[in-house]
Amino acid sequence: DVKVTQSSRYLVKRTGEKVFLECVQDMDHENMFWYRQDPGLGLRLIYFSYDVKMKEKGDIPEGYSVSREKKERFSLILESASTNQTSMYLCASSSGTAEQFFGPGTRLTVL
Amino acid sequence: AQRVTQPEKLLSVFKGAPVELKCNYSYSGSPELFWYVQYSRQRLQLLLRHISRESIKGFTADLNKGETSFHLKKPFAQEEDSAMYYCALILNRDDKIIFGKGTRLHILP
Repeated sequence: DVKVTQSSRYLVKRTGEKVFLECVQDMDHENMFWYRQDPGLGLRLIYFSYDVKMKEKGDIPEGYSVSREKKERFSLILESASTNQTSMYLCASSSGTAEQFFGPGTRLTVL
Repeated sequence: AQRVTQPEKLLSVFKGAPVELKCNYSYSGSPELFWYVQYSRQRLQLLLRHISRESIKGFTADLNKGETSFHLKKPFAQEEDSAMYYCALILNRDDKIIFGKGTRLHILP
């Protein structure tokens, strides 16, 4: 059973802080993804990665960066958090079957 | 441009009534389509994919290439079907998925 875990379920940060969201998967998947989920906007892809040290911009990369130093871990970084980055963040992984497996999500509030 | 459209943000259906969640896509090639579901306080998960041609929890979805649609159907709604449903399109096996904006299904008692 694929497990995708995210470091926090809830996170509250202040404007301007640097924020790290961690995602770990235990099924040796090559592909990992970060989305944000907002009511009425659905899931929007922020960044994705097909391999260690590789990253690709998604549809809304502005204000975010990512790091993939190990195959199982994909980190999302908000360099200077802003209130419009308050959202639910979902991590997912996949490996050649096209199905993506999702983590439980991190609800980030930026004050 | 590739796109997935779910025209309804919210769909309310009485228990026992038929359900149809609409999904249309735009893609010139051969798409692979999915329905994902998110129940309250649970993670987003795959419900079904068109290549499987299977029924999951009583739901089916048929790919209609002529109408570029992949509507999700269930003949008799159950209260536990209340959830957020996302239609999704993948262009290549390892490529990113394009999600629709989602439809919240609310089953009325």
